[in-house]
Amino acid sequence: AQSVSQHNHHVILSEAASLELGCNYSYGGTVNLFWYVQYPGQHLQLLLKYFSGDPLVKGIKGFEAEFIKSKFSFNLRKPSVQWSDTAEYFCAVNELTGGGNKLTFGTGTQLKVEL
Amino acid sequence: KAGVTQTPRYLIKTRGQQVTLSCSPISGHRSVSWYQQTPGQGLQFLFEYFSETQRNKGNFPGRFSGRQFSNSRSEMNVSTLELGDSALYLCASSLSLAEETQYFGPGTRLLVL
Repeated sequence: AQSVSQHNHHVILSEAASLELGCNYSYGGTVNLFWYVQYPGQHLQLLLKYFSGDPLVKGIKGFEAEFIKSKFSFNLRKPSVQWSDTAEYFCAVNELTGGGNKLTFGTGTQLKVEL
Repeated sequence: KAGVTQTPRYLIKTRGQQVTLSCSPISGHRSVSWYQQTPGQGLQFLFEYFSETQRNKGNFPGRFSGRQFSNSRSEMNVSTLELGDSALYLCASSLSLAEETQYFGPGTRLLVL
């Protein structure tokens, strides 16, 4: 079965530090990849997605992610974090088997940005 | 456009009872999926509905069921509630079954006592 690994469960950074959150998946076929963010007290929001094309995708709020097919990875990056980036970040994968929109999520990374 | 809406937002039930949760997708979206979010298991896929038919199903017992109406609104039902069913239940909608982006609602937080 498909699995998604997020290796960093809790990350604490100071404002202006750079961020990289790891995401690896196990499925060997074609996938759609997503990063979602859940701010405190808010619902899951789409940060960015990769379907095809340029493996470097840009999302909202200055986030970007790079799809490396050979490494089954889709790491999230931001050059300079802000206090308002404090949230939980989820990587999600949809196997393209013609079977609809079933997302497999990683366990999430809780990011705390300190002033 | 209004986002995905879910009702009720909070619910308290006791073991053995049943519960029905409701989800209205984004206007024009025809696919609705349900997920369970718990601290221990994270986000897990329950099922997906499209054109009033269940198209995908996760690894949950038969106590968990759902349906979709002709206007794409969806309900999920959990019968014979157990303490472990306490969770945030999230609904997500997408345009179609064509492996697209899902947009999530705020969730219904269910507490089973």
